Amino acid sequence: GQQLNQSPQSMFIQEGEDVSMNCTSSSIFNTWLWYKQDPGEGPVLLIALYKAGELTSNGRLTAQFGITRKDSFLNISASIPSDVGIYFCAGPPEYNNNDMRFGAGTRLTVKP
Amino acid sequence: DGGITQSPKYLFRKEGQNVTLSCEQNLNHDAMYWYRQDPGQGLRLIYYSQIVNDFQKGDIAEGYSVSREKKESFPLTVTSAQKNPTAFYLCASSILGGNTGELFFGEGSRLTVL
Repeated sequence: GQQLNQSPQSMFIQEGEDVSMNCTSSSIFNTWLWYKQDPGEGPVLLIALYKAGELTSNGRLTAQFGITRKDSFLNISASIPSDVGIYFCAGPPEYNNNDMRFGAGTRLTVKP
Repeated sequence: DGGITQSPKYLFRKEGQNVTLSCEQNLNHDAMYWYRQDPGQGLRLIYYSQIVNDFQKGDIAEGYSVSREKKESFPLTVTSAQKNPTAFYLCASSILGGNTGELFFGEGSRLTVL
């Protein structure tokens, strides 16, 4: 099945820097979800987006649902060491609401 | 507290053995899912169930089996037919019957085949 294209695959940044990652698809999505996974744990939902153009914040995290409905962005401002983990985008394509797709993840490392 | 509980967290299996991973949720969610996670890849859907006594194959169902006899429980059996079973397995549930809602994940079960 089709997967989402998530980039970058990994990031190594200094504490205090801002981070940006994105997710694209060739299909239209009705929902975009961003999850964070700590090592050896299950993913935890960070932000959910339900409308094209929607911009939603959760503390230092901001995500946007692209106008074309084929992409989404997640930004993290002023990164801290506990931001370390894998970030996944996810969503069901419009043609099949029963089919949740996941990106391959962006592995974030924050150096103190 | 409400949540999803997976067990065991770590499991070792010899080749040719079937193993069953447990997933229990007390969130009163209708839908439950099993995903497989391999390094550098996104989560891939094995099976999902939207209602008791009904379940559907995902992208990589071969070599796996599930049951949904109770709303709270969705165990996954990794059979000997699964050629590369070593992976991290994640169970999830959602409020909506369809798959448009947010997924709540368990802590995962890491299966290693010796």
